[in-house]
Amino acid sequence: GAVVSQHPSRVICKSGTSVKIECRSLDFQATTMFWYRQFPKQSLMLMATSNEGSKATYEQGVEKDKFLINHASLTLSTLTVTSAHPEDSSFYICSAREPGTLNNYGYTFGSGTRLTVV
Amino acid sequence: DAKTTQPTSMDCAEGRAANLPCNHSTISGNEYVYWYRQIHSQGPQYIIHGLKNNETNEMASLIITEDRKSSTLILPHATLRDTAVYYCIVRLRRYNFNKFYFGSGTKLNVKP
Repeated sequence: GAVVSQHPSRVICKSGTSVKIECRSLDFQATTMFWYRQFPKQSLMLMATSNEGSKATYEQGVEKDKFLINHASLTLSTLTVTSAHPEDSSFYICSAREPGTLNNYGYTFGSGTRLTVV
Repeated sequence: DAKTTQPTSMDCAEGRAANLPCNHSTISGNEYVYWYRQIHSQGPQYIIHGLKNNETNEMASLIITEDRKSSTLILPHATLRDTAVYYCIVRLRRYNFNKFYFGSGTKLNVKP
């Protein structure tokens, strides 16, 4: 089945620095990917929709200048957390769907990236 | 997308069937019911989905009421590895780029 890979799985960064998280569709092309954030003991919160070759669309309340999304190819979307602060520490998860398929597994999710800002 | 309501947590004995309910009283006729689960510190995993009819696959069964206002996910023989948060999501299937919004889910604790 479709596989979505995220890298890194864990990252620790200093407050004020930026960190980039990669999301790759390994065996399919994804024109659209989604980024979620999950705080401890909470559900996944959709942050933004990443569109290949165009600007990402952000959910209400998500700062686009804080969370930069680039979807430069059909297999790669990146999320950059800029000027990270401790409150940005969270579990970030991406998802994608192989277009044109009828298998209807919905979306395939990556294994997530645990970001800790110190 | 219609809102879903699930119990916060449930317990199940290992080897027994786990029945996880979901209410989606505002579901519209062309919205599907999807179930995902998330094992601790991993990404969500697809389980099953359906529109009207009951569905079964190698992982679970999905029972949707006739009025479609609620559904039940059944894990026929729960194992310890089934301990996870289970999310019921209602969404339109028609569009490739339609978003998934997660509710609070049900934490299923499978006990020996």
